Amino acid sequence: GQQLNQSPQSMFIQEGEDVSMNCTSSSIFNTWLWYKQEPGEGPVLLIALYKAGELTSNGRLTAQFGITRKDSFLNISASIPSDVGIYFCAGQNYGGSQGNLIFGKGTKLSVKP
Amino acid sequence: NAGVTQTPKFRVLKTGQSMTLLCAQDMNHEYMYWYRQDPGMGLRLIHYSVGEGTTAKGEVPDGYNVSRLKKQNFLLGLESAAPSQTSVYFCASSNRQGPIYGYTFGSGTRLTVV
Repeated sequence: GQQLNQSPQSMFIQEGEDVSMNCTSSSIFNTWLWYKQEPGEGPVLLIALYKAGELTSNGRLTAQFGITRKDSFLNISASIPSDVGIYFCAGQNYGGSQGNLIFGKGTKLSVKP
Repeated sequence: NAGVTQTPKFRVLKTGQSMTLLCAQDMNHEYMYWYRQDPGMGLRLIHYSVGEGTTAKGEVPDGYNVSRLKKQNFLLGLESAAPSQTSVYFCASSNRQGPIYGYTFGSGTRLTVV
């Protein structure tokens, strides 16, 4: 089945630094999504991308849908302690079981004040 | 709005015991999902439902059963719990009509099987 490779697995950064993480797939997706999971909570949608090449921002977060439709990246600028959590990418196609989200294994972000 | 509510939040089972996890959504979503999350494994789909009265297997369905008797509820059952089923379980729902905005997740059920 389809798999997503998300990297890095974990990051330890200083407050104020920028963060970059990415997701790649061997097959194409119609939609890329980025979620954040805080400790003890379920994942929450951050950004959704629907078109190849699309660049979308949500505050300090910026995500891009790769032109090949096989990858996506998420950037966080000027990190703050509340950015701590696990970030998941997810790819989705339309129709039947292929419409289910495929999740990456997550990037665990730690921010040192 | 409550969104997606999971009960219970925590549970400890003995090997061989059975239990049911309840998921309820109040957004009139057609689609509902059960995932398990294990360290380093991400989110793996157990079962899902595309509408009331329908269910389908996901990536890791063995040892689990589900039912969707009402549109707003999706139940996950463990008939004979095993230590390998120790995990955090997440329910999610989505609306496939119109733009797709991804899933709305519950806050999880942490299950320990001893």
